[in-house]
Amino acid sequence: NAGVTQTPKFQVLKTGQSMTLQCAQDMNHEYMSWYRQDPGMGLRLIHYSVGAGITDQGEVPNGYNVSRSTTEDFPLRLLSAAPSQTSVYFCASTQDRGPGNTIYFGEGSWLTVV
Amino acid sequence: GQNIDQPTEMTATEGAIVQINCTYQTSGFNGLFWYQQHAGEAPTFLSYNVLDGLEEKGRFSSFLSRSKGYSYLLLKELQMKDSASYLCAVILDRGSTLGRLYFGRGTQLTVWP
Repeated sequence: NAGVTQTPKFQVLKTGQSMTLQCAQDMNHEYMSWYRQDPGMGLRLIHYSVGAGITDQGEVPNGYNVSRSTTEDFPLRLLSAAPSQTSVYFCASTQDRGPGNTIYFGEGSWLTVV
Repeated sequence: GQNIDQPTEMTATEGAIVQINCTYQTSGFNGLFWYQQHAGEAPTFLSYNVLDGLEEKGRFSSFLSRSKGYSYLLLKELQMKDSASYLCAVILDRGSTLGRLYFGRGTQLTVWP
């Protein structure tokens, strides 16, 4: 069982570069999301998706784009990286058949923007 | 905005009991999660409360009072491996869990021998 897989695990970018963080799940979950976690902060929601073709903004969406062309994949794009986007990024998924449904997290992607 | 408060740090000794508090003021409420997160790892699920009262699961218990906007996580018989950050997270409404899940900043617990 692969669960939620994120790549890359570590990445260093220069300011202004673009990149995509990949997220894939093999559990046929409808709901997927991206969070960022900064030192001393909880996880903050960037974008989320309730199914293929449907995405919405979370708490901190600026500077990030997402798309959901398949159920399995939910990539996060940084169009022009800034030092403020240095963070740890977590992808999550759930079948979401109720508020207590189990949420599965990926192992995280550490991004540094210099 | 949403406000979820937890202590930043706590320390305790092996074998002891520790209570981590979480208070929340949010625009809606449809349940509260507790997660454990070891350094460099993803959060892992500990508990979920939606009704008032205590939920017990082995060495871990979680309590909720909706009228007071208050929850706590109780850890008994502490072990060194319990040293981690503990995250309180509130689901705001009856929509998608992932779209309405807000996290506190986490409480870093250090367990000493």
